[in-house]
Amino acid sequence: DVKVTQSSRYLVKRTGEKVFLECVQDMDHENMFWYRQDPGLGLRLIYFSYDVKMKEKGDIPEGYSVSREKKERFSLILESASTNQTSMYLCASRFTAGNTEAFFGQGTRLTVV
Amino acid sequence: GEDVEQSLFLSVREGDSSVINCTYTDSSSTYLYWYKQEPGAGLQLLTYIFSNMDMKQDQRLTVLLNKKDKHLSLRIADTQTGDSAIYFCAESLRGYNKLIFGAGTRLAVHP
Repeated sequence: DVKVTQSSRYLVKRTGEKVFLECVQDMDHENMFWYRQDPGLGLRLIYFSYDVKMKEKGDIPEGYSVSREKKERFSLILESASTNQTSMYLCASRFTAGNTEAFFGQGTRLTVV
Repeated sequence: GEDVEQSLFLSVREGDSSVINCTYTDSSSTYLYWYKQEPGAGLQLLTYIFSNMDMKQDQRLTVLLNKKDKHLSLRIADTQTGDSAIYFCAESLRGYNKLIFGAGTRLAVHP
């Protein structure tokens, strides 16, 4: 059974804290993605990575950074959390372009207070 | 530019058909997908269609693609309460690894 696992389902952090969201996939996918999901806005791409140590900005990268030191792990970092980063964060992975399904983690609901 | 649009809500009676619509702007889309998100869960792939196809049927699901109008629809026959979820349309662009998602349509099924 294929799996994308996010380290936390729920997180509560204080404004200004550094926050790490971790994602691990066991499918040997080259590509990994971080999206945030907000009501009425759907999924917006924050960052993605197409190989180890490679990353590209998505549509809303401001306030975020990422790390991909190993193929199976993709971390999203909030350097200094702010209340407008309260959201649901979804990690996904897929093989390289073509008709390949993107597999999603269960999501991390982050609340910044 | 890349843009995928969907209406936000749909309410149907149990047993009726549901039709969820989606429009996209990029003509270089190669594959178009429908994902389902149940409460508290991530997204699961429901079905997909290649851009050179008009229609695809998979049990209760029918996907229709009008490439000229860049319009995609998902029809769910005999809608059940278990179909209540958010449905996302997504496109995969030629030469890109990422998927572009719509805002999602919340389907509510009532007795």
